[in-house]
Amino acid sequence: QITLKESGPTLVKPTQTLTLTCTFSGFSLSTSGVGVGWIRQPPGKALEWLALIYWNDDKSYSPSLKSRLTITKDTSKNQVVLIMTNLVPVDTGTYYCAHLPGYCSGGSCYRGAFDVWGQGTMVTVSS
Amino acid sequence: EIVLTQSPGTLSLSPGERATLSCKASQSVSRRWFAWYQQKPGQPPRLLIHDVSTRATGIPDRFSGSGSGTDFTLTISRLEPEDFAMYFCHQYGSSLPWTFGQGTKVEIK
Repeated sequence: QITLKESGPTLVKPTQTLTLTCTFSGFSLSTSGVGVGWIRQPPGKALEWLALIYWNDDKSYSPSLKSRLTITKDTSKNQVVLIMTNLVPVDTGTYYCAHLPGYCSGGSCYRGAFDVWGQGTMVTVSS
Repeated sequence: EIVLTQSPGTLSLSPGERATLSCKASQSVSRRWFAWYQQKPGQPPRLLIHDVSTRATGIPDRFSGSGSGTDFTLTISRLEPEDFAMYFCHQYGSSLPWTFGQGTKVEIK
């Protein structure tokens, strides 16, 4: 059974840096094709994809936030960390991490959609 | 960026009725990298459909997805009480960023 859990501060001041940790179980980020992503949701609004890291350490970022985001993984600890710098109030919302299934065969890789999500962690940016 | 526009914003229906949700993309979605999620208040999204029309594990067959290119549809054949929720479409194609629609709320009439 795959589970993910987000952790981090609930309140951050503007201009500060946010560090969120996703701790997961039930899969390994060293398995070919697999990834973990971060998605956020402002209160009452739509979902916004932020970043993704794959088993081979390939990383993808939302172009609009790329300069402020860093995603890393620690395979031995089953953790993925998202760092967001220079926070502003509009960054307030629930931050989710999610499992991205996939596999590689014959030199090609297939990926699925985010199939298991953590419960999310609410982050408020306010002075 | 591929913008996903969902319609209607709110769908008011009764249990047992058929629900048809639409999602239109501003550009063609590559391959079949398109999904639908259900979200209830205070809960994370739940994957319903991936690869346009493949039901996720444990999803009842009253949920079905269809479409291609820029037009996609989620159909719920007969609404059950637990189906009243928010629904989001999502494209995870080869061009970044991956995007979500703004959501359709299915509410009890």
